[in-house]
Amino acid sequence: DAGVTQSPTHLIKTRGQQVTLRCSPKSGHDTVSWYQQALGQGPQFIFQYYEEEERQRGNFPDRFSGHQFPNYSSELNVNALLLGDSALYLCASSRDSYEQYFGPGTRLTVT
Amino acid sequence: AQSVTQLDSQVPVFEEAPVELRCNYSSSVSVYLFWYVQYPNQGLQLLLKYLSGSTLVKGINGFEAEFNKSQTSFHLRKPSVHISDTAEYFCAVIFLDNTDKLIFGTGTRLQVFP
Repeated sequence: DAGVTQSPTHLIKTRGQQVTLRCSPKSGHDTVSWYQQALGQGPQFIFQYYEEEERQRGNFPDRFSGHQFPNYSSELNVNALLLGDSALYLCASSRDSYEQYFGPGTRLTVT
Repeated sequence: AQSVTQLDSQVPVFEEAPVELRCNYSSSVSVYLFWYVQYPNQGLQLLLKYLSGSTLVKGINGFEAEFNKSQTSFHLRKPSVHISDTAEYFCAVIFLDNTDKLIFGTGTRLQVFP
């Protein structure tokens, strides 16, 4: 069992650009959640996808959007990048919402 | 308002000593409670969880936590720590108000010294 995988591992972008991060859930899991973890902070909930629909959303602007595919994998898209978007982006999968398994994260640096 | 508080940002301790990492929450609804560990440059690993039943929960790596509903706490304990326990520890809560969002505390850095 590969667990939750995320790609890429690291990414450097310039302000104003757009970025797409990818996540493959643990086998048997159908729910994917995305979190943003700024340096020295706890993870902040961005949104959750289930059955290809956004089921819940945290306090993030519309620049943050996502998608879930029929195979349950997911993408996180961020438009018009700001310096403050620099963070570790974590994907978590679950069979229900309650026990979430996290991937290793994607480190995004915006310059 | 619903919130999760980890009062200790850093906890230094010597190897083989006991440790307690504190977590309190504020809520008007029922909760599910979790502790995660994050090693440097890695994602989060679930240590233990409380969903229902016994308030004393045992997890991996010798950790345990006790849910105290009256004090709205879920403190993490280990009777004897190892150097390898050095990491960031996050308390997380799901507030059962039909949102099911996992809300994290700010984390506690456990530093184990030889």
